[in-house]
Amino acid sequence: EPEVTQTPSHQVTQMGQEVILRCVPISNHLYFYWYRQILGQKVEFLVSFYNNEISEKSEIFDDQFSVERPDGSNFTLKIRSTKLEDSAMYFCASKGGSSYNEQFFGPGTRLTVL
Amino acid sequence: QKEVEQDPGPLSVPEGAIVSLNCTYSNSAFQYFMWYRQYSRKGPELLMYTYSSGNKEDGRFTAQVDKSSKYISLFIRDSQPSDSATYLCAATFTGNQFYFGTGTSLTVIP
Repeated sequence: EPEVTQTPSHQVTQMGQEVILRCVPISNHLYFYWYRQILGQKVEFLVSFYNNEISEKSEIFDDQFSVERPDGSNFTLKIRSTKLEDSAMYFCASKGGSSYNEQFFGPGTRLTVL
Repeated sequence: QKEVEQDPGPLSVPEGAIVSLNCTYSNSAFQYFMWYRQYSRKGPELLMYTYSSGNKEDGRFTAQVDKSSKYISLFIRDSQPSDSATYLCAATFTGNQFYFGTGTSLTVIP
């Protein structure tokens, strides 16, 4: 069964460093998403991406965040200068098309900022 | 932000019990409602998806939406130890940004 994959499973970085989180969405899906979940808190929407551009973003997704689909399979989230409060699980999700509303989530990347 | 509220539990039931999980939401513009299951340190796994009000059944799971009272429910019949997980409800206007509840932790005791 097709699934969303994410790498790495755990990333440890120093405050102020740049990190890139990688996702491979389900192959025929067209919409891509990033969410985060701080330990013990809700899953929070960060950004949605369609047709090579951001379609929606939340207040959390400020200038230190960026997303990219560098090729036909990968979808990345870059955090330019990490802060302690960026420590969280980051989930990538994808869905098939505009008539579908089921988003399928990857296993997540645990980001720890020291 | 309190768009979707969910009792975090924890909820503990004996094997075979009927489980009722509930959420409320504040924004009447939500059109689509989802239930996800999340095992510890894993990604949310889609269980059920419903559009507007009504019921939807899939095996032992039934999702119910009452838009008049802004209430979302998930019923699990004949609960099994493998159902032990955190259950997340979610709602969306557009199908893009999902608003999640905090999740309810469920333990099914053999």
